Amino acid sequence: AQTVTQSQPEMSVQEAETVTLSCTYDTSESDYYLFWYKQPPSRQMILVIRQEAYKQQNATENRFSVNFQKAAKSFSLKISDSQLGDAAMYFCAYIGGSNYKLTFGKGTLLTVNP
Amino acid sequence: GAGVSQTPSNKVTEKGKYVELRCDPISGHTALYWYRQSLGQGPEFLIYFQGTGAADDSGLPNDRFFAVRPEGSVSTLKIQRTERGDSAVYLCASSPLYAPYNEQFFGPGTRLTVL
Repeated sequence: AQTVTQSQPEMSVQEAETVTLSCTYDTSESDYYLFWYKQPPSRQMILVIRQEAYKQQNATENRFSVNFQKAAKSFSLKISDSQLGDAAMYFCAYIGGSNYKLTFGKGTLLTVNP
Repeated sequence: GAGVSQTPSNKVTEKGKYVELRCDPISGHTALYWYRQSLGQGPEFLIYFQGTGAADDSGLPNDRFFAVRPEGSVSTLKIQRTERGDSAVYLCASSPLYAPYNEQFFGPGTRLTVL
């Protein structure tokens, strides 16, 4: 079974600084997809960034980028120039090849200090 | 355009009662998913619809849980004989087609509290 582990229950960062959230996963699939979702207090999950496992290049979306280490099964999220609006729960998630159901980690609560 | 909507936003019920939770997906999205998020946890998959049919209901915890999507749009998650352990946020998501890389668009969830 696939598992997703987020080892940091909470993280904090100063506004305008950079923070990295960690995620590791376990799978026997060769084809899969990885996601980072943000969940603010409104509860609505918002996709931040996605990575296809077959792509070697790390995905980037504006201030958000990932460090995808396939051999190590690691998928960390880097947030640059942190803003107050980045404060939220962040979930790492996985979908295996022919599957369609997301498997989530337990989340990391990010606090941004002014 | 309108996103995924869920009603009610909050539901408080008593142990043993029956509840229905509604999800309105984004118009035109054929795939619909239900997840359950317990306190301090990430969402866990319950059931997936492709069109009107449940393609995978392997995540439903027991036979007290049932979901329908009769016209391939709105879906209702039904819970019979509710138990305190059913208390959680129930999230619905939709996507335009079945494809693993497709973004699943989530609604704001229904917070169910069973007293």
